[in-house]
Amino acid sequence: EDKVVQSPLSLVVHEGDTVTLNCSYEVTNFRSLLWYKQEKKAPTFLFMLTSSGIEKKSGRLSSILDKKELFSILNITATQTGDSAVYLCAVEGNEKLTFGTGTRLTIIP
Amino acid sequence: DAGVIQSPRHEVTEMGQEVTLRCKPISGHNSLFWYRQTMMRGLELLIYFNNNVPIDDSGMPEDRFSAKMPNASFSTLKIQPSEPRDSAVYFCASSFPGQTNTGELFFGEGSRLTVL
Repeated sequence: EDKVVQSPLSLVVHEGDTVTLNCSYEVTNFRSLLWYKQEKKAPTFLFMLTSSGIEKKSGRLSSILDKKELFSILNITATQTGDSAVYLCAVEGNEKLTFGTGTRLTIIP
Repeated sequence: DAGVIQSPRHEVTEMGQEVTLRCKPISGHNSLFWYRQTMMRGLELLIYFNNNVPIDDSGMPEDRFSAKMPNASFSTLKIQPSEPRDSAVYFCASSFPGQTNTGELFFGEGSRLTVL
């Protein structure tokens, strides 16, 4: 059975800090790894990663995948209160997307 | 683009009643997914369709749950009879698969179900 484990489960930091969120996985026939941000409602897409070692970047957010060690990290620099959300990692294998339970990030002003 | 549209947004019902959740995927997307989200278990895939055909329903909890996709622009998830443990947020998502992966999933706003 495909498995996605995220850590930490929750994280509280001050505005301006840098955070690193982790996602490790076990999946049959890996196809892609995706990061989503979920605030109050639906998850919204952040990144899709398919190749090892290639960083994807969007503003203060960046992510990288290691297919040998089976993990990905999501970095957020200079955090802002608007970054407070649950960050979900999902891995696709055998045409099925499996989600982790998420990391709840809280940014204190 | 209107995005993925789900209805109802909220439903409160009594145990034993039938519940029908509806979803309209993004036009042109040919994959549709139903997920259930709870605090304890996170997002769980219930079933997904490709070109209106159910591909994997192994996540459907039991026979009380059924899903249909009669055409490319509409899907339903039905629970009959409903039980309190079915209380959750049910998300519908759609995507346009690439050659090597499912692609980015676009989620609807979710249907929050409470079964008393």
